Amino acid sequence: AQKVTQAQTEISVVEKEDVTLDCVYETRDTTYYLFWYKQPPSGELVFLIRRNSFDEQNEISGRYSWNFQKSTSSFNFTITASQVVDSAVYFCALSDPNTGNQFYFGTGTSLTVIP
Amino acid sequence: DTGVSQDPRHKITKRGQNVTFRCDPISEHNRLYWYRQTLGQGPEFLTYFQNEAQLEKSRLLSDRFSAERPKGSFSTLEIQRTEQGDSAMYLCASSAAGGYSGNTIYFGEGSWLTVV
Repeated sequence: AQKVTQAQTEISVVEKEDVTLDCVYETRDTTYYLFWYKQPPSGELVFLIRRNSFDEQNEISGRYSWNFQKSTSSFNFTITASQVVDSAVYFCALSDPNTGNQFYFGTGTSLTVIP
Repeated sequence: DTGVSQDPRHKITKRGQNVTFRCDPISEHNRLYWYRQTLGQGPEFLTYFQNEAQLEKSRLLSDRFSAERPKGSFSTLEIQRTEQGDSAMYLCASSAAGGYSGNTIYFGEGSWLTVV
């Protein structure tokens, strides 16, 4: 069965600190996709990144970076030098071609950046 | 370039009433999804359309729920005889055509439903 676990329910950091959001996934398939979405208070889920299971290269985009490790089934997200605008709920998601077009989301991590 | 839009953004209804939500996907996207999200949880899949065809439905979609996508453009999600347990945010998303489920889905801002 497909499952995404985000063990951190809430995190608070002081502005300019680095923060890592953890994501652990379960799937029996070798082909799958992993995603991170940001949900600010307005409610809209904003796409951040997509990674396929064959590409374990880490990715950096500005202050954001992602660490994908198949050996530990993890897809962690780091924000460097956090800012107040980063405050939001962050969701990790798994998409598995063998289960059609469903996306499986974790329960989210609520990040608060304190000025 | 407009994103996914949903209407209404907020709806308060009495138990037993019917409600309908509308979703307009990104114009070039032929796939449309409905998800439901309750407080403290991630979105849960409800149903999916490719063009006008409804191809998948979750077990969460009881008989009181019906979704349509006439002409493969906008979609509506109707909930009949609402119950308090239906209170949630209903999210619509769309994605471009593709031969696999790895295409990124883009979400609207959601429609909040409160059943009193």
